[in-house]
Amino acid sequence: QVQLQESGPGLVKPSGTLSLTCALSGGSISSSDWWSWVRQAPGKGLEWIGEIFYSGSTNYNPSLKSRVIISVDGSRNQFSLKLTSVTAADTAVYYCARMHNSDWGTVGMDVWGQGTTVTVSS
Amino acid sequence: ELVMTQSPATLSVSPGERVTLSCRASQSVSSYLAWYQQKPGQAPRLLIYGASTRATGIPARFSGSGSGTEFTLTITSLQSEDFVVYYCQQYNNWPYTFGQGTKLEIQ
Repeated sequence: QVQLQESGPGLVKPSGTLSLTCALSGGSISSSDWWSWVRQAPGKGLEWIGEIFYSGSTNYNPSLKSRVIISVDGSRNQFSLKLTSVTAADTAVYYCARMHNSDWGTVGMDVWGQGTTVTVSS
Repeated sequence: ELVMTQSPATLSVSPGERVTLSCRASQSVSSYLAWYQQKPGQAPRLLIYGASTRATGIPARFSGSGSGTEFTLTITSLQSEDFVVYYCQQYNNWPYTFGQGTKLEIQ
């Protein structure tokens, strides 16, 4: 079955760039699905960051759009998140997830990575 | 941005009871509404999509209803593992947005 696994530094300095990768196994990133990043600040709710299609098309949350780049690497079956100019407010658990499109429509985010904690601190 | 409002923030109920969680959208999202369950320290788990379709492997005690701006998640015969946090999410408009969550507590 499809599995997702996030990886990347757990500590990023203020004003630096947060970089995470999500590796897909058990399936192909070149499918009809969209691939999302979602984050959750400590003790808070879920915030959608953005998504990418295997072709490279993206949709971003306007609240983060000026600082976010999501990219895809089909040859490695993975997609990535870059968030620039980070502050303590970007400290969160970052999840990658699949927004699944079936033959009968969009199913929702049905596969999630386990999440990776990123702390912004000097 | 489309705002999703869940109520109540916390709900105290007893095991075995039935509970209904509410989610309201600031504008119509048609049926593009999903419900997720999140246990402590874990990623969210998809329960319901399309407002009323159970995801693969989800027990029949979970059901969803609604369309437009008003949605509900009903859980019958609450079990101990159900006392966690539930989020609704709309995926009709970008940016996709989540409600703030409803936490089920054991009464």
